[in-house]
Amino acid sequence: GENVEQHPSTLSVQEGDSAVIKCTYSDSASNYFPWYKQELGKRPQLIIDIRSNVGEKKDQRIAVTLNKTAKHFSLHITETQPEDSAVYFCAASSYSTLTFGKGTMLLVSP
Amino acid sequence: GAVVSQHPSRVICKSGTSVKIECRSLDFQATTMFWYRQFPKKSLMLMATSNEGSKATYEQGVEKDKFLINHASLTLSTLTVTSAHPEDSSFYICSANSDRDSSYNEQFFGPGTRLTVL
Repeated sequence: GENVEQHPSTLSVQEGDSAVIKCTYSDSASNYFPWYKQELGKRPQLIIDIRSNVGEKKDQRIAVTLNKTAKHFSLHITETQPEDSAVYFCAASSYSTLTFGKGTMLLVSP
Repeated sequence: GAVVSQHPSRVICKSGTSVKIECRSLDFQATTMFWYRQFPKKSLMLMATSNEGSKATYEQGVEKDKFLINHASLTLSTLTVTSAHPEDSSFYICSANSDRDSSYNEQFFGPGTRLTVL
């Protein structure tokens, strides 16, 4: 089955800095890579996703890159704000089943 | 659009009792529904996948007789935790694929159910 590794497990940045979270996956059949933001006690919230036929996608301060050859994808958040503080999960999907990474706790200090 | 509801949001029960959690897709038909369990400070772990009218497919290590899943319609799936014990205390989250998504990859998550077994 699919295995998704996510790093780092925690990330502390100053407000305004950039944050990068990296994930690798094992199943070459995976074709959909979403990123979720989860606040304590809440549901995961989709913040951006990318499909395997695209190498990069951007939405305002958030961008995701995908390297299919190396089987890794990354989340980039620019100009971080305190409200970006949360746990972020990457995931990889093949045949509609999602496999999640272990999560990154992002703390943005004012 | 693509809203998923879950009920109840919180439940506290005594050890040995059974608890039923409902997951509904409110404005779309769900081709597939998924049940996840999330322990504190941990990731979401898939428990089972269910399709309407057929038996659920359980992930390795998940007891099918303990976690009963019924997918009675294209908008409703239920998870029953039978003979609950304190170690079953967790955050249970459902999700669904939409029939509007031709690739059926994106999952829409419910708000979760916090189960506490005393």
